[in-house]
Amino acid sequence: SQQGEEDPQALSIQEGENATMNCSYKTSINNLQWYRQNSGRGLVHLILIRSNEREKHSGRLRVTLDTSKKSSSLLITASRAADTASYFCAIINQAGTALIFGKGTTLSVSS
Amino acid sequence: GAVVSQHPSRVICKSGTSVKIECRSLDFQATTMFWYRQFPKKSLMLMATSNEGSKATYEQGVEKDKFLINHASLTLSTLTVTSAHPEDSSFYICSASTGGRYGYTFGSGTRLTVV
Repeated sequence: SQQGEEDPQALSIQEGENATMNCSYKTSINNLQWYRQNSGRGLVHLILIRSNEREKHSGRLRVTLDTSKKSSSLLITASRAADTASYFCAIINQAGTALIFGKGTTLSVSS
Repeated sequence: GAVVSQHPSRVICKSGTSVKIECRSLDFQATTMFWYRQFPKKSLMLMATSNEGSKATYEQGVEKDKFLINHASLTLSTLTVTSAHPEDSSFYICSASTGGRYGYTFGSGTRLTVV
């Protein structure tokens, strides 16, 4: 498998707290993407970080990438109840065509 | 932006019947589409890559005779679950390669329940 584990598998926090999710992968990459999935719905693209980038911000999202450790993290600051969802990291498969997803982190934010 | 429409969103069928799921790119042409399967509280598993005008490429372990994929036009790919069984019950999601900034856009998924 190209994709490794994401941790934690589940995370429960209070509104206003920060949430950090981690992702590991096994192959070399050009970029890594993070997606969000509300329960029973499709995926929404959050952010893409290229292999030559170490950190990227988008609103309350901060993504880091450590290619030496083959890992990435997604930080959501000042979380809101509406952030409750599953979050997945994804990389391109070896054929260079499709996205391969990590196992995901289910985030629950309570108000 | 690029939009992918997936239909139906939910379907219940009897064992032994076949079900067709459609994935349409609404405002762009998608030469390549992808089909994923997702079990409850699990990640998305790539089933196959669908190429317009040619045969789909299936991932290892996915039965091509069970999951028929047709990509007859640049805006439509279909997944037909043939002779469905309860173990085929799952959430199926399609995706299209947009060639744009992020590369991929996803349908809203189809919840298949086989009874």
